Amino acid sequence: GAVVSQHPSRVICKSGTSVKIECRSLDFQATTMFWYRQFPKQSLMLMATSNEGSKATYEQGVEKDKFLINHASLTLSTLTVTSAHPEDSSFYICSARDQQRGEVQPQHFGDGTRLSIL
Amino acid sequence: GQNIDQPTEMTATEGAIVQINCTYQTSGFNGLFWYQQHAGEAPTFLSYNVLDGLEEKGRFSSFLSRSKGYSYLLLKELQMKDSASYLCAGMDSNYQLIWGAGTKLIIKP
Repeated sequence: GAVVSQHPSRVICKSGTSVKIECRSLDFQATTMFWYRQFPKQSLMLMATSNEGSKATYEQGVEKDKFLINHASLTLSTLTVTSAHPEDSSFYICSARDQQRGEVQPQHFGDGTRLSIL
Repeated sequence: GQNIDQPTEMTATEGAIVQINCTYQTSGFNGLFWYQQHAGEAPTFLSYNVLDGLEEKGRFSSFLSRSKGYSYLLLKELQMKDSASYLCAGMDSNYQLIWGAGTKLIIKP
């Protein structure tokens, strides 16, 4: 089945640090990947849709200069949280679907990155 | 607008059966997905329905009624490890997933 790898799984860093999270599709190509954020006991919130070779599409209220997305290849998307502050502490999860099999495919999730800003 | 509704929390007993309901409103419809999410982990795909009826997959089954905008996830022979949140998501005409807030299922011995 489709496998998505996300790295790192856990980050603890000081306020003001920039943090990069990688999301890779291991056994399929993904022209589109999705970045979610989830606060404790809350639902998944889509932050942005990452498009290979073009700009990401951000959801309303998500600062694109704060959350930089780069989708440089068909198997890799990165999310950089720039100048992170304590309020950015959250669980960040990426997902992708195997669009070569068609548009209607389940999204497969990476294991998530738990970000803690001190 | 687009909306997915599901109960916030449900409690069931080990060995029993539980049904988690979901109603949806999407702009166009390309199917209904169910995911399981254990605490502190990412969601995992459980099932997909696009035609009316019941899809059975082991202890888990999922049902869809397009005319009613309604789906349910049925879990049989509940085990303690089934304690998790269950997310309902509808796919709209742009192939975007609209997520419900999730139903936290608590299994008691």
